[in-house]
Amino acid sequence: DAKTTQPPSMDCAEGRAANLPCNHSTISGNEYVYWYRQIHSQGPQYIIHGLKNNETNEMASLIITEDRKSSTLILPHATLRDTAVYYCIVRVARSGGSNYKLTFGKGTLLTVNP
Amino acid sequence: AAGVIQSPRHLIKEKRETATLKCYPIPRHDTVYWYQQGPGQDPQFLISFYEKMQSDKGSIPDRFSAQQFSDYHSELNMSSLELGDSALYFCASSLGTGTDTQYFGPGTRLTVL
Repeated sequence: DAKTTQPPSMDCAEGRAANLPCNHSTISGNEYVYWYRQIHSQGPQYIIHGLKNNETNEMASLIITEDRKSSTLILPHATLRDTAVYYCIVRVARSGGSNYKLTFGKGTLLTVNP
Repeated sequence: AAGVIQSPRHLIKEKRETATLKCYPIPRHDTVYWYQQGPGQDPQFLISFYEKMQSDKGSIPDRFSAQQFSDYHSELNMSSLELGDSALYFCASSLGTGTDTQYFGPGTRLTVL
């Protein structure tokens, strides 16, 4: 799986959009970009994933650059409850065989301030 | 919606004892993954099962073993516990097709004294 690079920490004001970047310059054509977050000591929470098109769900939007070497997770209106470590993970889609584990990097600690 | 269930949520053991952690996947999910998260560290993959067969193995000590049962629940058995085994243990489940999105349980906090 391709490696990812994320800033170690970011701050955001409550009510503002939080834009979390991720670099994955070695991503392969069959690898998806997944985003998870972990609020202190809780189980990682799935947020969103995408292959090459931008994606949006009730939690967030995912913008993937045309060359797929980087992406941005957008929380449109951050709240205090969004304070967490956000992980960007690249992984192949499942198509038989094994090795579908998630490899967690250091992630970005997002702190939402009042 | 039903989520992944893990039990127990907290477990305290002495060194050299054994521990069994249980994971009940989301209904209809056939794949289970186990992860370990040490203090101040990021989750690390241990082992996974698909349709009751081991499908992948990570940095799991030989003292640990796991299996998936006919009802798809999984158990992680840990023997000869060491202080360094103190960690959060997460189970995730997925429907073994397509993008195979994994959904995590709340974790079991194991403390070895």
